[in-house]
Amino acid sequence: GQQVMQIPQYQHVQEGEDFTTYCNSSTTLSNIQWYKQRPGGHPVFLIQLVKSGEVKKQKRLTFQFGEAKKNSSLHITATQTTDVGTYFCAGYAAGNKLTFGGGTRVLVKP
Amino acid sequence: GAGVSQSPRYKVTKRGQDVALRCDPISGHVSLYWYRQALGQGPEFLTYFNYEAQQDKSGLPNDRFSAERPEGSISTLTIQRTEQRDSAMYRCASSLAAGTYPYEQYFGPGTRLTVT
Repeated sequence: GQQVMQIPQYQHVQEGEDFTTYCNSSTTLSNIQWYKQRPGGHPVFLIQLVKSGEVKKQKRLTFQFGEAKKNSSLHITATQTTDVGTYFCAGYAAGNKLTFGGGTRVLVKP
Repeated sequence: GAGVSQSPRYKVTKRGQDVALRCDPISGHVSLYWYRQALGQGPEFLTYFNYEAQQDKSGLPNDRFSAERPEGSISTLTIQRTEQRDSAMYRCASSLAAGTYPYEQYFGPGTRLTVT
């Protein structure tokens, strides 16, 4: 079955620094979504990417969908304490079934 | 407006008992999804509905798990003869519609199930 993997599992970052988290699928995706889950909270939708090579920005967050539609990345610049949480990518291969990755847990050192 | 609500928020049950978890989606949302999320893991798909029709139940672990959405709104996930391995956070999500590309999903707060 479809598998979605995220690396790294944990990201310790100094406040103000940049980092990137990666998402890889075992199958070609029709689209990919990113969610953020704060500690003790529930996943909250961030963005959806549909087109091959698509890049979207939300303030300090930049999302990219790979050319082969099998991978994606999230780059955060000038990390803030509000960025703490777990970031999940989730992909659709077929139908309406969303497969989530294991997430990247982001910890910010002030 | 109101988001997705789930009840109960916490459920402790003894092994062998049946439990029913309820999800009340955002009003007007066509699609409703059930997930199970283990600590430190991503949500794992269980099943989903469009209106009252169950479209995909491939994620249900075994026949002790069932779900219904009889009137196309509130949904119930039932686990019969619970086992300790069923302990997890059960999350419900809803989305406006299911078109060419799926819409964003809105998650509820979850039900934390503990089987003793």
